[in-house]
Order: sequence, then C-alpha cells, then structure tokens
Amino acid sequence: EDKVVQSPLSLVVHEGDTVTLNCSYEVTNFRSLLWYKQEKKAPTFLFMLTSSGIEKKSGRLSSILDKKELFSILNITATQTGDSAIYLCAVVASNYQLIWGAGTKLIIKP
Amino acid sequence: DAGVIQSPRHEVTEMGQEVTLRCKPISGHNSLFWYRQTMMRGLELLIYFNNNVPIDDSGMPEDRFSAKMPNASFSTLKIQPSEPRDSAVYFCASSSGQGLSEQYFGPGTRLTVT
Repeated sequence: EDKVVQSPLSLVVHEGDTVTLNCSYEVTNFRSLLWYKQEKKAPTFLFMLTSSGIEKKSGRLSSILDKKELFSILNITATQTGDSAIYLCAVVASNYQLIWGAGTKLIIKP
Repeated sequence: DAGVIQSPRHEVTEMGQEVTLRCKPISGHNSLFWYRQTMMRGLELLIYFNNNVPIDDSGMPEDRFSAKMPNASFSTLKIQPSEPRDSAVYFCASSSGQGLSEQYFGPGTRLTVT
C-alpha cells in the first residue's frame, strides 16, 4: 500500500532555531514530491521535487529529495513565529494520485 | 490571477438538508480536485476531474456525495442528505499537466452539519 509518513508529528522550538522536517514514502510509480504549508486556511505550495540531490531553496526554507532512500527533508533556518503552521508532504504517484502525509505541526515560540 | 475560488466559505446546515459547494479553478488549469479535511483523517481526496471528466471518484464516501464539472471553469460538490459526520473543511484544488504538477488550493468551505 502506498504511504507517506512525516516526522515528527509535532515540534516546538524557539525563534531563531533551525528545524528539519522529515517525509518518507513508499509508493509505486513515483513522479514527484510536494511540500505545502498550512496555517489557518488552505495549504499553500512550497516546493516540488523530482530529482535526487538537487536542493530547492526559497528564503529561509530549503528542501531536498533522496530517491534512493525514499525521503525528503524540509529545512527552516532562523525560524520566526510566522513559520508556525502544519507542514504537509505529498507524493504524486501513477498518473495523478496525490498521497498525503499526516503533516508536522510546527510551533515557534517567541 | 484570482486563484481558486470557493463558495460559500462557511456553511451551517441541519442534518438531512442538501448542501452544494462550489469551485472555480484557476483559468487554464485542466485538473480539478475535491478534498475533505478533518482532524481525524487529514486530507482525503474525494474526486478528481481532468478536462471536465471525472477520472476517479473512489474517494467519494457514499452515494450521498456527488460532484459535477459542467465546464472548465466551474465544479460543484453536493451532499444530499447531509449528516453530522460530513462536518469538515472541503477544499477544491486545481493544477495543470494532468495532475502531475503542484496543486493550488482554494480557501475551503467549512461545513458544519448539526
């Protein structure tokens, strides 16, 4: 059965800390891996990863994919309270199916 | 671009009533997805349309749920009759490239069935 597992399920850190969120997957016909940020509304797109070892970066956020070990990480450096959210990982498999992880709830304390 | 538009944003209804949720995808996107999100079950894909055609509705919970996409710019999700366990946030998302690319989500409709 295809599955996406995120860890940790929740994380509490202080402003300025660096965090690493994990996403591992077992899917057939892997196409790409997506990261989303969800605050009190709809998920917003962060990154799409299709190739191993190529880091995607946007400001203080970065992500990388390892297709051999079947995981991805999302790094956030110099965290701010506005980074508090649920971070969702999803894998595109087959021709369209998006398989979602349960998310990591990140809380940044001032 | 206005993004994915959903209406209503909030809906409170009594058990047994019919509920219709509406979605306008991003112009030019050919794939549309309906999701339901709850604390217990996370994000669940209900149905996926490509070029206005339903491709997979295996996620639709039961016959009380139905979805239509009469044209490229409009879709509806209908629940009839509604039940309290249908209470959730319903998201519509759209993407290009037959669903292989990132999906852009609408703001969601928070449905409460009493």
